[in-house]
Amino acid sequence: AQSVTQLGSHVSVSEGALVLLRCNYSSSVPPYLFWYVQYPNQGLQLLLKYTSAATLVKGINGFEAEFKKSETSFHLTKPSAHMSDAAEYFCAVRTSGTYKYIFGTGTRLKVLA
Amino acid sequence: EAQVTQNPRYLITVTGKKLTVTCSQNMNHEYMSWYRQDPGLGLRQIYYSMNVEVTDKGDVPEGYKVSRKEKRNFPLILESPSPNQTSLYFCASSWAQDSPLHFGNGTRLTVT
Repeated sequence: AQSVTQLGSHVSVSEGALVLLRCNYSSSVPPYLFWYVQYPNQGLQLLLKYTSAATLVKGINGFEAEFKKSETSFHLTKPSAHMSDAAEYFCAVRTSGTYKYIFGTGTRLKVLA
Repeated sequence: EAQVTQNPRYLITVTGKKLTVTCSQNMNHEYMSWYRQDPGLGLRQIYYSMNVEVTDKGDVPEGYKVSRKEKRNFPLILESPSPNQTSLYFCASSWAQDSPLHFGNGTRLTVT
């Protein structure tokens, strides 16, 4: 069965520091991969998606993620954290040919002044 | 404005009292789905629908029903709610398989 693992339920970084949020997936076929962000009291918003066009995917707000098939990973990065990046981040996978989504358990990012 | 609208935002009810959470989208999306969000468990898919009259189970369908009689609406029905269904619920829709999900703002349900 498909699964998504996000390492670290809470991550703290200083403002201006590198943000790295980890996501590993299990899939027997190339999946569609997504990162979503959730701000307090809101629904999820798409940050970026991987659909096999390019392994390095750029998203909104300066975030990017690299698809590494050999490592089954899709880690999210941002070179310099901003206070407004504080939120919960979810990695999600959907197997090609289905509409069944699997979400990770989420990583809450805290940005320290 | 393109959006997914859920109602109500907050709902407190008692065990066994049937309830419906509505979801409507104005983007003519084919695909709609329901999720529940619980601390430490992330989002889990309850049901999804690929088109009118086409629905399928997600990972946690027990205790829930859905219907898709019109393209824009996808209500979630709890025939006999129980306390373990206390959760934050999200409805989402999308154009197609590789397009992103558009989420509603959520419904926080408490069953006592």
